[in-house]
Amino acid sequence: QSVLTQPPSVSGAPGQRVTISCTGSSSNFGAGYDVNWYQQLPGTAPKLLIYANTNRPSGVPDRFSGSKSGTSASLAITGLQAEDEADYHCQSFDSSLSAWVFGGGTKLTVL
Amino acid sequence: EVQLLESGGGLVQPGGSLRLSCAASGFTLSNYAMSWVRQAPGKGLEWVSAISGSGYNTWYADSVKGRFTISRDTSKNTLHLQMNSLRAEDTALYYCAREGLVATTPNIDYWGQGTLVTVSP
Repeated sequence: QSVLTQPPSVSGAPGQRVTISCTGSSSNFGAGYDVNWYQQLPGTAPKLLIYANTNRPSGVPDRFSGSKSGTSASLAITGLQAEDEADYHCQSFDSSLSAWVFGGGTKLTVL
Repeated sequence: EVQLLESGGGLVQPGGSLRLSCAASGFTLSNYAMSWVRQAPGKGLEWVSAISGSGYNTWYADSVKGRFTISRDTSKNTLHLQMNSLRAEDTALYYCAREGLVATTPNIDYWGQGTLVTVSP
C-alpha cells in the first residue's frame, strides 16, 4: 500500500488529453511538500518529468503539465502520442515517515 | 554528461549480504545528495536510502533500517549500498539516483540503469 495513491491505469486516444491523479495526506502534500512526476518508458529507468508541482526540466515537452491543490496533485498530458505510453510515478516527502514516498504508478495506454 | 553506473547485484540466499556500487561521472558526488531507489518486479518505485552531499547525514526507509548502510567514496566518486540480512522481499532492481538541487522537496534528476538483486534459496 503506497503512501501516495494513483490509479493503476488510464488510457486515451492519440490527440486526446488525459490526467493522472495522485492523492496524498496532511503529512506530505498537506504539510506543504511538493509533488514530482517521473515517466518510465518500458524497460528503462524513470525520467524526471515535472518537479516542484509545475516545473518541467529542459527538454520535456509543454504537452506535460502538473498541478497540486491541498492533498491532491495531478499530471495532465495533452495531444497524446503513442510514445507517451509508459508508467507514470508521483513522488513527494512525508514528514510523519521522514521518508521519500512514491505513488504505486499509473500505466498509460495510448489506444 | 552525467552518468550513473550501478554494479554488484546478483543472486543471494536469504540472510546473505551484497554490496552495491554506483560509479558517478560528469559531476562531483560530494556536491549532491544521492539516493537508492528500488523497484520490485512489476511493482512501483520504493525509496530505500539517501545520503547528504556532505556525507554526514543518512536516511533509511523503515523496511531496510538496521540492515542496509549507505556510504560513499569521494576519492572514487562512487556511492555504495551495503545490504545485510537480505530477505525475499528485497528482490528488486536497485537504482542509483542523484538528487536535484533546484527544489526544496527532494527530487531525482538523474537515474542509473539499475542493478538486479534476487534473494532466493
